[in-house]
Amino acid sequence: KNEVEQSPQNLTAQEGEFITINCSYSVGISALHWLQQHPGGGIVSLFMLSSGKKKHGRLIATINIQEKHSSLHITASHPRDSAVYICAVLAGSARQLTFGSGTQLTVLP
Amino acid sequence: GAGVSQSPRYKVAKRGQDVALRCDPISGHVSLFWYQQALGQGPEFLTYFQNEAQLDKSGLPSDRFFAERPEGSVSTLKIQRTQQEDSAVYLCASTLGASGGSEQFFGPGTRLTVL
Repeated sequence: KNEVEQSPQNLTAQEGEFITINCSYSVGISALHWLQQHPGGGIVSLFMLSSGKKKHGRLIATINIQEKHSSLHITASHPRDSAVYICAVLAGSARQLTFGSGTQLTVLP
Repeated sequence: GAGVSQSPRYKVAKRGQDVALRCDPISGHVSLFWYQQALGQGPEFLTYFQNEAQLDKSGLPSDRFFAERPEGSVSTLKIQRTQQEDSAVYLCASTLGASGGSEQFFGPGTRLTVL
């Protein structure tokens, strides 16, 4: 069974700090997603990656396939970044995502 | 519409009632997924449709849960004889392609509370 572990579960930062959220998984995957969920439930896809690194604005996602590990970085964090960040993987030939339990990020002004 | 929509957004049911949750995927999207998200947890897979065919229902927790997508667009998740443990947010997602590698677009979810 594929397990997806995220750390930390909760993270509080001051505005402007550099933030890292980690994700580890236990089986081979074809893709990894980083998702953002705001209060009220809506989920937005931030990145989908299968190798290397992607950058969008202040967000950077990296993945190391050999180590089965991915990180999401937020540079110059802002209170509007406060949300739950969820890592999800597509294992092998599966069509559905397997999700981590999420990291609750709070950025204080 | 521009995105995936779900209705109702909130549903309160008494234990034992039947409920029906609706998902309108993005027009033309082939694949549709239902996920269940308990409070403080990540979503968990319930079932998957490719067009009108339900190809995987391995995540449905019991035979009280039933999903359909008769015309390959709108989908309905039905829960019969609701129990308190059914309380959760039910998320629908759709993708353009049939393979799992496409970006999934999520609806806002339906928050079900069973009293």
